[in-house]
Amino acid sequence: DQQVKQNSPSLSVQEGRISILNCDYTNSMFDYFLWYKKYPAEGPTFLISISSIKDKNEDGRFTVFLNKSAKHLSLHIVPSQPGDSAVYFCAASVTGNQFYFGTGTSLTVIP
Amino acid sequence: EPEVTQTPSHQVTQMGQEVILRCVPISNHLYFYWYRQILGQKVEFLVSFYNNEISEKSEIFDDQFSVERPDGSNFTLKIRSTKLEDSAMYFCASSETRVGSPLHFGNGTRLTVT
Repeated sequence: DQQVKQNSPSLSVQEGRISILNCDYTNSMFDYFLWYKKYPAEGPTFLISISSIKDKNEDGRFTVFLNKSAKHLSLHIVPSQPGDSAVYFCAASVTGNQFYFGTGTSLTVIP
Repeated sequence: EPEVTQTPSHQVTQMGQEVILRCVPISNHLYFYWYRQILGQKVEFLVSFYNNEISEKSEIFDDQFSVERPDGSNFTLKIRSTKLEDSAMYFCASSETRVGSPLHFGNGTRLTVT
């Protein structure tokens, strides 16, 4: 039962370039999406959210894009910094219900 | 910035023993959650809690599990008789509202059942 998938377990990007992390989902009822960053030995830290009424949300260096017809969302980090190196999780829910998490993508930003 | 705190950070217990994992959610948050992550696997929902009762639970959250808000600040997860497969990171989370607000997670408790 993998309702949320992150098909790339890892990604390496040069400092200053764009990082693009992808997430696919299967449940068309999902209407609220979150991205989290996680460092080792810490809990997930909330980054940015998007609801299904929008197709883009931006917060500083982080932008989330939602393509409802493709059931796909992506997180763009521009410019990437070494401190962005972490595991990134996407999560999705039908409003008011439990969140389903992807398996995560480990991002390494190379100085 | 307010944060969710969890204790202990690491708990080792023998199979069959009871464990209680503790959490202090963010003070003005009304919705509380437990998630877990088995090593190498995805983060999985266990239970959500609001107004002193469970609002949703997953198939994982069977009769061995219970949650409680014993006072105005703590939120606990009890596992009555631990099994080896309960070994995981357990994350507590809270949110301000049920709709349209993100979950804020604690740093987790690593439970090791031997």
